[in-house]
Amino acid sequence: QAVLTQPSSLSASPGASASLICTLRSGINVGTSRIYWYQQKPGSPPQYLLRYKSDSDKQQGSGVPSRFSGSNDASANAGILLISGLQSEDEADYYCMIWHNSASVFGGGTKLTVL
Amino acid sequence: EVQLVESGGGLAQPGGSLRLSCAASGLTFSASAMNWVRQAPGKGLEWLSYISSSTNLIYYADSVKGRFTISRDNAKNSLYLQMHSLRDEDTAVYYCARGGGSLVPFDIWGLGTMVTVSS
Repeated sequence: QAVLTQPSSLSASPGASASLICTLRSGINVGTSRIYWYQQKPGSPPQYLLRYKSDSDKQQGSGVPSRFSGSNDASANAGILLISGLQSEDEADYYCMIWHNSASVFGGGTKLTVL
Repeated sequence: EVQLVESGGGLAQPGGSLRLSCAASGLTFSASAMNWVRQAPGKGLEWLSYISSSTNLIYYADSVKGRFTISRDNAKNSLYLQMHSLRDEDTAVYYCARGGGSLVPFDIWGLGTMVTVSS
C-alpha cells in the first residue's frame, strides 16, 4: 500500500470549490503528519502551496492566495487541499508530500480540470 | 534573483553513469538543505535524495540507494548527483529543490534537466 494515495483526477467548475484528498497509509496518523502541497503546471517545475498539520501548525507558501487552504479529515486519515473560487489558471497537477522514515514521499498526484 | 539551475543531463546507456549539477544563486546555499527529485515522462514526482546544509545528514530513496550519490560544494554553491548503473527506468526530468525534512518545504525548484537512459 502506498504511503500517500491521491485520486488521479478531479473536475470542477469555475467559481466552485474543489477538495483534493491525500489519504495516508494505515499506521501513519494524519493528526501528527505535516502534509505539504505542491502545484505543477505542464512544462514547469512544481511550486510550493502550503503545509498543514493543524490550525496551529500550518504555513502558506509565499504569494499563495488565501483561497488555497489545508485541512484534515481524521476519520478518513486524509489531508485535504481546498481550493475555493476556482479559476481556469488552477488547472494543474497537485501533489501531496510528507516526511516519513527519513524520506520525503509524494502522493501520485491529482490532475485538476477546471471546466 | 533566487535561482537553481540544473545541468549535466543527456543520453546515457544502460549501466552507464552521469553526473548532474545544480548551481544555486541568490540564496544562502550553505545554510540550505537540498534535494533531488525526478519525474518520469507523464508520471508523478519521485523524491530521490536529501543532503543537509553541512552534509552531516544524507538520505536516499530505496530506488536509488547504492547507485546514486548526492554531494555538495558550499564554496561553489553547487549540488551534485552522481548516478551509476543507470537503468531505463531512470529516464526522467531531474530537479534540484531546496528544503526537506519534516519542517521545511521544497520552496525553490530548478527547471530540471532531462536524463534519458537508452541503448
